[in-house]
Amino acid sequence: DTGVSQNPRHKITKRGQNVTFRCDPISEHNRLYWYRQTLGQGPEFLTYFQNEAQLEKSRLLSDRFSAERPKGSFSTLEIQRTEQGDSAMYLCASSPSRDKEYFGPGTRLTVT
Amino acid sequence: AQKITQTQPGMFVQEKEAVTLDCTYDTSDQSYGLFWYKQPSSGEMIFLIYQGSYDEQNATEGRYSLNFQKARKSANLVISASQLGDSAMYFCAMRGRGQLTFGSGTQLTVLP
Repeated sequence: DTGVSQNPRHKITKRGQNVTFRCDPISEHNRLYWYRQTLGQGPEFLTYFQNEAQLEKSRLLSDRFSAERPKGSFSTLEIQRTEQGDSAMYLCASSPSRDKEYFGPGTRLTVT
Repeated sequence: AQKITQTQPGMFVQEKEAVTLDCTYDTSDQSYGLFWYKQPSSGEMIFLIYQGSYDEQNATEGRYSLNFQKARKSANLVISASQLGDSAMYFCAMRGRGQLTFGSGTQLTVLP
């Protein structure tokens, strides 16, 4: 069973640039979540998809952030005009049901 | 609003001994689920165990068990027969109607 995959694993970018991350969930998992984790903290929720519909967005998701899940398969998270405060680990998770949620390896973003 | 509290920033345990990691929660939802994840230094979030709020039996998965005390709103993780590979950050999380809410984590170190 293939797990959740995320690309790239690491991204270094200069302040002001745009970045896009990709998440491929476990096949047939209809729920997909994005979280952000900073050093020494637990993950914080960003947004949630059920199939292709984006059902919930956190207040953390400013207007510089946008996420899509076309056709209910993979998802992308784009950050426009990156700031140093965006430096974090971005985690994607997929879930077939309420009692399970599996995480990908994450994308570590460093904004210089 | 949901809140997860992990009051132990760090814990030490001798190899082969049992250890309990504390987690308390607060929610107004009647139906919810509690999760524990392990995060080694490599960064991936590994799902360990799940307990539903209506489950009458405490959840167990191999060496992991969840000591669920609903009236006290606690969901402590018990790891039996600790191994060196158990050294990691451990996060407690809760799901109400949507996404997971995480605690701040406990860094467990297993001593040889």
